[in-house]
Amino acid sequence: DAKTTQPPSMDCAEGRAANLPCNHSTISGNEYVYWYRQIHSQGPQYIIHGLKNNETNEMASLIITEDRKSSTLILPHATLRDTAVYYCIVTRAGGTSYGKLTFGQGTILTVHP
Amino acid sequence: EAGVTQFPSHSVIEKGQTVTLRCDPISGHDNLYWYRRVMGKEIKFLLHFVKESKQDESGMPNNRFLAERTGGTYSTLKVQPAELEDSGVYFCASSQTRAASDNEQFFGPGTRLTVL
Repeated sequence: DAKTTQPPSMDCAEGRAANLPCNHSTISGNEYVYWYRQIHSQGPQYIIHGLKNNETNEMASLIITEDRKSSTLILPHATLRDTAVYYCIVTRAGGTSYGKLTFGQGTILTVHP
Repeated sequence: EAGVTQFPSHSVIEKGQTVTLRCDPISGHDNLYWYRRVMGKEIKFLLHFVKESKQDESGMPNNRFLAERTGGTYSTLKVQPAELEDSGVYFCASSQTRAASDNEQFFGPGTRLTVL
């Protein structure tokens, strides 16, 4: 699986946009970028995913660079409830063991008043 | 619609004892995954079922761990005998497909296992 690199921590003011970067320079052409988050001790929660086009849903936007070597998760109006660990994960599209998620250290996002 | 449920939420056992964790996936989800996080480490994949078949068990740490999914519905993860290093949080997740284009996994709240 392609390795991802994320900053260990970031801060964001409540109401402002939170932009979380992720580097995945070894990503293959058929691998997707997924973002999950884990709030405190809860189970991880799916946020968004994409292949090469930018994506938006009710939670966030995902911007993937044209060369697909990096991406940015955008929370447009961060709230205190968005404080969590955010994981950028590249998923395999085929082979014998695709489907599993490979979690890294993630980025601890702290949203402050 | 009910989400993924796990039982128990907490379990405290002594070294050498046996513990069985249960996971009920979202109804209709053929794919069921087990993950765990041990103290201070990353969340690690354990194994993946497609219906009742083990698709990938490459993450199972050793033969003290046994996972089953009889009938393709709920799954159990048994640890026998438990060791101190098995302490951690065990997460279960389910998904409708495992295609990379649509592999949104829904996680349960986890079972916190403490081995004394």
